Amino acid sequence: QKEVEQNSGPLSVPEGAIASLNCTYSDRVSQSFFWYRQYSGKSPELIMSIYSNGDKEDGRFTAQLNKASQYVSLLIRDSQPSDSATYLCATRGAGSYQLTFGKGTKLSVIP
Amino acid sequence: SAVISQKPSRDICQRGTSLTIQCQVDSQVTMMFWYRQQPGQSLTLIATANQGSEATYESGFVIDKFPISRPNLTFSTLTVSNMSPEDSSIYLCSAWTGPTEGPTDTQYFGPGTRLTVL
Repeated sequence: QKEVEQNSGPLSVPEGAIASLNCTYSDRVSQSFFWYRQYSGKSPELIMSIYSNGDKEDGRFTAQLNKASQYVSLLIRDSQPSDSATYLCATRGAGSYQLTFGKGTKLSVIP
Repeated sequence: SAVISQKPSRDICQRGTSLTIQCQVDSQVTMMFWYRQQPGQSLTLIATANQGSEATYESGFVIDKFPISRPNLTFSTLTVSNMSPEDSSIYLCSAWTGPTEGPTDTQYFGPGTRLTVL
């Protein structure tokens, strides 16, 4: 059974701070890793994908992957109230087209 | 990229009836999926919609309850049959644009259909 674990939160950070979202996964053959943002009442939106160990930066977002520890994280720098949403971690295994989602972490950025 | 539309956006239905949800993608995509998201929960994959053949269902979901069609590369329907209040949920259509790593490896989601069964 493939599992993706996330702290459900809520995670509260002050505006301008760094928000750190964490995710662990059980399937060792997972090859692709994704972070989706979901605003309340809206559908998920892809914000980051990462495939190799290390860091990947895109604007205020940095995804970090450690396959040995089966751990992926998302850092949001200079957090804004508009970043308040639920962040879903998802993985895809090698040769697979299906995503396995975590339950999501609710982030609240306090002005 | 792919833009996905779903109809209806929401509906309130009576127990025992059926509802068909339509999903239209603005470009040809490799794969289409149907997910369910119950309040406060993550996404659960119902099935993969296969073009021109029977859908592939995940454990716990069966064709009699959730018949799916995909007549071409841009359109799919999901029917929720013989509904009960436990079927109240958001149903999301999703499309995957490619099998390769990189910019094309993106799975997009439609806006969802919010279903309430009384």
